[in-house]
Amino acid sequence: GESVGLHLPTLSVQEGDNSIINCAYSNSASDYFIWYKQESGKGPQFIIDIRSNMDKRQGQRVTVLLNKTVKHLSLQIAATQPGDSAVYFCAENTAGGKLIFGQGTELSVKP
Amino acid sequence: DTGVSQDPRHKITKRGQNVTFRCDPISEHNRLYWYRQTLGQGPEFLTYFQNEAQLEKSRLLSDRFSAERPKGSFSTLEIQRTEQGDSAMYLCASSSTSGNTLETQYFGPGTRLLVL
Repeated sequence: GESVGLHLPTLSVQEGDNSIINCAYSNSASDYFIWYKQESGKGPQFIIDIRSNMDKRQGQRVTVLLNKTVKHLSLQIAATQPGDSAVYFCAENTAGGKLIFGQGTELSVKP
Repeated sequence: DTGVSQDPRHKITKRGQNVTFRCDPISEHNRLYWYRQTLGQGPEFLTYFQNEAQLEKSRLLSDRFSAERPKGSFSTLEIQRTEQGDSAMYLCASSSTSGNTLETQYFGPGTRLLVL
């Protein structure tokens, strides 16, 4: 069946360093992916998305890379700040519209 | 309109009681989704509406759960005869559709339910 998973459950980085969060998906027909940030007690917050006709997309301090050959995507956060500490989810937006989420990676930023 | 809103933010109830949650989507969004999230897990899809039509329901949505969107605007999710296993964060999201193009879903703050 369809699944979206993350390689690492936790990631600890030093403030100012770059962070890379990885995600694997299994449905080769998937064509739309979204990264969300979720802080404790809050709903997921949209960060950036990418469609399958792109390999890379950049936002403010964030970049998403999509490798369709190995069914992998990553979220890169430049100059990580304490406010970036949260759980990050990748989600596959299925043809029917519902999102399939991975387990999440908890990012901890050390000052 | 600043985003998706949900009410209440927290609900504590006793096992066997009925609860109802409300979601107000972003005003121009015609799609509305309900998800459930337990601690340490990603959100799981429950159901979604396009306008007032309920188009898909997950197997997670037992017969004790019912969702409505009567006028294609706000939606309610009711859980009857609550069980301790229903304790979770209930999330609502909305999006717009543009032909066959999937659009981003924006989430509300969630309703945290605790069943004692």
